[in-house]
Formats: sequence, C-alpha cells, structure tokens
Amino acid sequence: DTAVSQTPKYLVTQMGNDKSIKCEQNLGHDTMYWYKQDSKKFLKIMFSYNNKELIINETVPNRFSPKSPDKAHLNLHINSLELGDSAVYFCASSPRLAGNPEQFFGPGTRLTVL
Amino acid sequence: RKEVEQDPGPFNVPEGATVAFNCTYSNSASQSFFWYRQDCRKEPKLLMSVYSSGNEDGRFTAQLNRASQYISLLIRDSKLSDSATYLCVVPPGSARQLTFGSGTQLTVLP
Repeated sequence: DTAVSQTPKYLVTQMGNDKSIKCEQNLGHDTMYWYKQDSKKFLKIMFSYNNKELIINETVPNRFSPKSPDKAHLNLHINSLELGDSAVYFCASSPRLAGNPEQFFGPGTRLTVL
Repeated sequence: RKEVEQDPGPFNVPEGATVAFNCTYSNSASQSFFWYRQDCRKEPKLLMSVYSSGNEDGRFTAQLNRASQYISLLIRDSKLSDSATYLCVVPPGSARQLTFGSGTQLTVLP
C-alpha cells in the first residue's frame, strides 16, 4: 500500500542511451512533480502536473520529457543521457497545486550515467 | 540573496543536546513555511509547517521571524534518531511550487 512508488529504484546506463522512470501515486492527489537531487543534495523541481496538465516546466533540457497518462501516473523519459544527468530523481504528489503544499515523495530513483 | 539559504552544517551534537538551525528566505510575500526531514538515502518527509509566528510539536519548535525573513527549527533533548538532513521549504508568493533549501545535516552522537 505504498503511497508514491517509483521504478526502477536504481538505474545504471551508458551515455547516449534513452531511459524512462515511472511514478505512481495511490493517494488520489491531483498534482504530481518530478525533482532532481544532485550530489550536493540540492533538491530542484523539474516539472509539475495538475490533473494531467503540465503546470511547471523549469529550465530543464528538452531531452527530459514528462508524460502523464492519468492523474495517478507521471513518467519521466530522458533521451541521450549525459554524465551530468547522474542524480537521484524524486517523484512527489500533493492534494492540489496551491493551498496545501505538503508533498509526499516517492523513494527516489538513483540514476548513474557512465 | 538566494531564495532559500541554510547553514549546511554538519552539526554534530551529543544526545540530549538542544540544537537550532536557521533558514533565511528572500520572498517577503511567502506566507507559509515548512521543515522537511530527509534521512540518508531516503526521500524527504514533512516534519513541521509554520503558518504564523511558530509551531511546536513535542521536542520540535519552529519559529518564524517575518521582519528578518528567517525561520528556525529548534530540537530539544536530541535523540540518535534525529540524525538526518533538515530541509527548509518556502513556497513563493504564487504557491505554485516549493523551493527547497540545500539542507542542514545533523548528526546526534551517543
């Protein structure tokens, strides 16, 4: 009965490859997010979706493409992986976009690009 | 000034000690503030919310100083299990997203 789940937990891949990370939440939340946490532990928002609609798209290279098939899922596809993409990627969800900013995070996907 | 700034630490304190962290923010329009806790190699989890001048939950007290634009987190009677990174979180005025500080690392020593 995990609230926010991500797969895979670990991902090791070569530069230039394309990979996807999946996220699902069973909390009935309207809003989902992708964050990147780098080696210095800085947690930065990448994307936010509200009811399957893209709301926030920070200055992220267009090699990163989020997809939300329904409001319980937000997947992240990354093309042409680079060394600098190595980080922990966290998915999160919240009940709504504003007014209650408590966010529930998934366990993270540790991506290593070789 | 960065949107959210925290002292990265590390803070190493003995069990039973009282420790306090500060966090400064730049957006004077922010109305609510949060402390999240992140254990090593785990996801962040909400610890406390601060909507007015402060909030207290057991050994944890969060205080807000709007004039100086900082929030603080005080932990009394530290436990070994308090060892973690504490992230200060500030929504911008539009509340469309959260801005996380870089975190303050706390280690409670036996």
